[in-house]
Amino acid sequence: AQSVTQPDARVTVSEGASLQLRCKYSYFGTPYLFWYVQYPRQGLQLLLKYYPGDPVVQGVNGFEAEFSKSNSSFHLRKASVHWSDWAVYFCAVSPITGNTGKLIFGLGTTLQVQP
Amino acid sequence: ETAVFQTPNYHVTQVGNEVSFNCKQTLGHDTMYWYKQDSKKLLKIMFSYNNKQLIVNETVPRRFSPQSSDKAHLNLRIKSVEPEDSAVYLCASRWDGYSNERLFFGHGTKLSVL
Repeated sequence: AQSVTQPDARVTVSEGASLQLRCKYSYFGTPYLFWYVQYPRQGLQLLLKYYPGDPVVQGVNGFEAEFSKSNSSFHLRKASVHWSDWAVYFCAVSPITGNTGKLIFGLGTTLQVQP
Repeated sequence: ETAVFQTPNYHVTQVGNEVSFNCKQTLGHDTMYWYKQDSKKLLKIMFSYNNKQLIVNETVPRRFSPQSSDKAHLNLRIKSVEPEDSAVYLCASRWDGYSNERLFFGHGTKLSVL
């Protein structure tokens, strides 16, 4: 069955420090992968998406993610975190075939930024 | 910039009441969705509508029903709310072009059932 695991419910980093948010997926084949961000009292916004091709994808606001088929992972990274990055980050998977738009989300990782 | 609009932002009601949430998208997308986000932030798809057809209907209770007048609108009705229905309901839309799985979300409607 398809699933997404985000092992860290909460991550705290200092402003200016680097960041990695972990995501592991379970899917037979190669899926589409996404990172969405949810700021307080807002809906989800797309940060970046992976389609088969270059394993490193660039997103908005300096975020990037790297797909690893061998590790079944799609970790999110940022070189220098800003206080405005404080939010909940969701990893999601979608099957390539079917084109249904049905996303399966992880439970999210709350990023807290310390001054 | 918001292009998926949900009303109301918040709704407080009592067990057994009927509620209805509205969603409108101005993106010209083909498919719209309702997701439920529970208190633990878990997101699960409830429904999707494409050209007025229900194409994905997860195992949600029968008291939930989506209602669509056109492809820009998808409302959600709950006939008799239960305490476990307390959650944030997120509406989303998507263009059905090839390899385009990106969803655009509204800000959500937070339902509290007393």
